[in-house]
Amino acid sequence: DAGVTQSPTHLIKTRGQQVTLRCSPKSGHDTVSWYQQALGQGPQFIFQYYEEEERQRGNFPDRFSGHQFPNYSSELNVNALLLGDSALYLCASSLRGLGETQYFGPGTRLLVL
Amino acid sequence: AQSVTQLGSHVSVSEGALVLLRCNYSSSVPPYLFWYVQYPNQGLQLLLKYTSAATLVKGINGFEAEFKKSETSFHLTKPSAHMSDAAEYFCAVSKGGGSNYKLTFGKGTLLTVNP
Repeated sequence: DAGVTQSPTHLIKTRGQQVTLRCSPKSGHDTVSWYQQALGQGPQFIFQYYEEEERQRGNFPDRFSGHQFPNYSSELNVNALLLGDSALYLCASSLRGLGETQYFGPGTRLLVL
Repeated sequence: AQSVTQLGSHVSVSEGALVLLRCNYSSSVPPYLFWYVQYPNQGLQLLLKYTSAATLVKGINGFEAEFKKSETSFHLTKPSAHMSDAAEYFCAVSKGGGSNYKLTFGKGTLLTVNP
C-alpha cells in the first residue's frame, strides 16, 4: 500500500513565477492538508481540502490556492512567488473522522531565486 | 489560539542514555497532542498521540510521553537512545482528535546521538 506521495521532489523557480505542487493521498483517505516548513522551523498549516472544498485555512495570503480532485488527490498553487516562499511543502492525508491521524508525504522542496 | 514551545532546539545524548525532549503547550480547549519525527530528507512520521484517554502514551520505537495538565507539558522520553534515533522531533497540538483539525507545530528539536 503506497503511502502519501508528492511531486516533484525538488523545484527551482524565480521570483514572480507560479508553481503547482501535487499530492496523492494514502489509499482510503479522503482529506488532504498542506503545510509549509521553512528552514529551521516547524510546519505551518496552509489549508485543508475535503470533498473538493477548502475547509480550513491558515494565515497565508491568497497567492496560495489549492484544489482537490474527485480521486482525492490535491494540488497546491502558489502565484507571484517571493523569495520567502522557499520551503519544504508537506502534504498530509487522512480519513476524515474522530480519532484519525494525518499521515505526511516526503514533501516538495521549493527554492525561489 | 493554540501554541507549542519546544525547549532546546538541539539535544545531544550518548548512545544508551536517556532521551528527554521537552514540549509545553498553550490551548484554550482540552488539547490533543502529538509527537512526530522527521528523518533527513523525509516527511513526518507519527511517534505517538494523546487524545484524553491515558495520560502516559506509548509510541513506536520505544518512545513514550506523559501528559501533565498542571504543567501544560507533554515531554517525550526514551530510556535508552539508539544511533537510529538521530532525527528532528516535532511536538504538535490540535483542538480535536479528528483528522479535520489542523496541527500547530513547535519549532522542533534536533536530536543527535553520540557513539
